[in-house]
Amino acid sequence: SAVISQKPSRDICQRGTSLTIQCQVDSQVTMMFWYRQQPGQSLTLIATANQGSEATYESGFVIDKFPISRPNLTFSTLTVSNMSPEDSSIYLCSASGTSGGSSYEQYFGPGTRLTVT
Amino acid sequence: QQPVQSPQAVILREGEDAVINCSSSKALYSVHWYRQKHGEAPVFLMILLKGGEQKGHEKISASFNEKKQQSSLYLTASQLSYSGTYFCGTVYMDSNYQLIWGAGTKLIIKP
Repeated sequence: SAVISQKPSRDICQRGTSLTIQCQVDSQVTMMFWYRQQPGQSLTLIATANQGSEATYESGFVIDKFPISRPNLTFSTLTVSNMSPEDSSIYLCSASGTSGGSSYEQYFGPGTRLTVT
Repeated sequence: QQPVQSPQAVILREGEDAVINCSSSKALYSVHWYRQKHGEAPVFLMILLKGGEQKGHEKISASFNEKKQQSSLYLTASQLSYSGTYFCGTVYMDSNYQLIWGAGTKLIIKP
């Protein structure tokens, strides 16, 4: 398994500003993902963070709005740019492909609760 | 295409059993089950690969019916700690192993 930490755990931001969320895994992983989840709703995949190359974005999400970095096999960041109230949500980082584990199990960070005013 | 979970919600008394279903209209490679408690991150329960496997985790088990493209999660003798929202995630045969999440089933266990 993997232990994942996220920073910040929550933030309140003004519209038009940007916030960078950090995700740290305690071991090297193959895949890292960023999700958005509205309270009471399912998870929506934003993008897959690829180590050493550009992230792969899902339909409806673009790099200019959600730039992602993954400089190594244990760390990734998601930036929410030029925020609007519609970006208020919980942002979750997950990882899979841990050493000794199945390639398919995803482990999640505790999430970042973002409120945009 | 999102898999369909049923029921949307279920309320049980402690000790009762429950079944949560996850069905797909597309051929499945695998089905993943997660539980999310309020205010917490989803926690991995189990994976079922195509082949009709059945797996168990404590008193929670699941099956995968390849012909029906359906998975069922069985919770027996439910405990208060089983409360939460259960999500299935599916990987389709023609995909790049991306997980597609169902809408979730909210399970409430009453003492």
